Amino acid sequence: QVQLVQSGAEVKKPGSSVKVSCKASGGTFSSYTISWVRQAPGQGLEWMGRIIPILGIANYAQKFQGRVTITADKSTSTAYMELSSLRSEDTAVYYCARENRVSSGYLNYYYMDVWGKGTTVTVSS
Amino acid sequence: QSVLTQPPSVSEAPRQRVTISCSGSSSNIGNNAVNWYQQLPGKAPKLLIYYDDLLPSGVSDRFSGSKSGTSASLAISGLQSEDEADYYCAAWDDRLNGWVFGGGTKLTVL
Repeated sequence: QVQLVQSGAEVKKPGSSVKVSCKASGGTFSSYTISWVRQAPGQGLEWMGRIIPILGIANYAQKFQGRVTITADKSTSTAYMELSSLRSEDTAVYYCARENRVSSGYLNYYYMDVWGKGTTVTVSS
Repeated sequence: QSVLTQPPSVSEAPRQRVTISCSGSSSNIGNNAVNWYQQLPGKAPKLLIYYDDLLPSGVSDRFSGSKSGTSASLAISGLQSEDEADYYCAAWDDRLNGWVFGGGTKLTVL
């Protein structure tokens, strides 16, 4: 059974960058899409972007365009999410999640079936 | 303001049934599958329902999902104290080209 193991908690200064990793173990990696979702304290889930490791293609939520970069290293089955120009509002738990799919005819419908435990990022001066 | 609309909270007594609604639009729920996630306090989200009404292996059949038009619902029957959690609906949005979530619903078992 695949597991997603995320890197440890980070404390960052405003204006700096953070890079969070997400390593897949126990299963295939490259053929699945990996999404990143964050959750600010006491708030709901917010999707940031996703990557298809086998293609190296990423797309991002409009809110984070220009500030987030999602990459993947197929050789180590690891995905990365880097967020720059950090501000206090970026304090949150950041999750990676694997997207699985159901095929219906020629269409695919996706869902996040495996989640990492989350990485707490605190932005404070 | 979330793209998908859920009630902030619901409550019901043990052994009863509760439903949580999720309202969207033609660019998300109306044209794509709905997934539901359960988040226990301090834990990562867990997949509860996918493709509108399918249960992942290991999820209790007390949980069920449905969809009609641009709205979806999660039903939980035989409520137990362990069901106290936050519940989120999610769907792909064709206009935004990304995932959208509901704001989450906190379930309290009285």
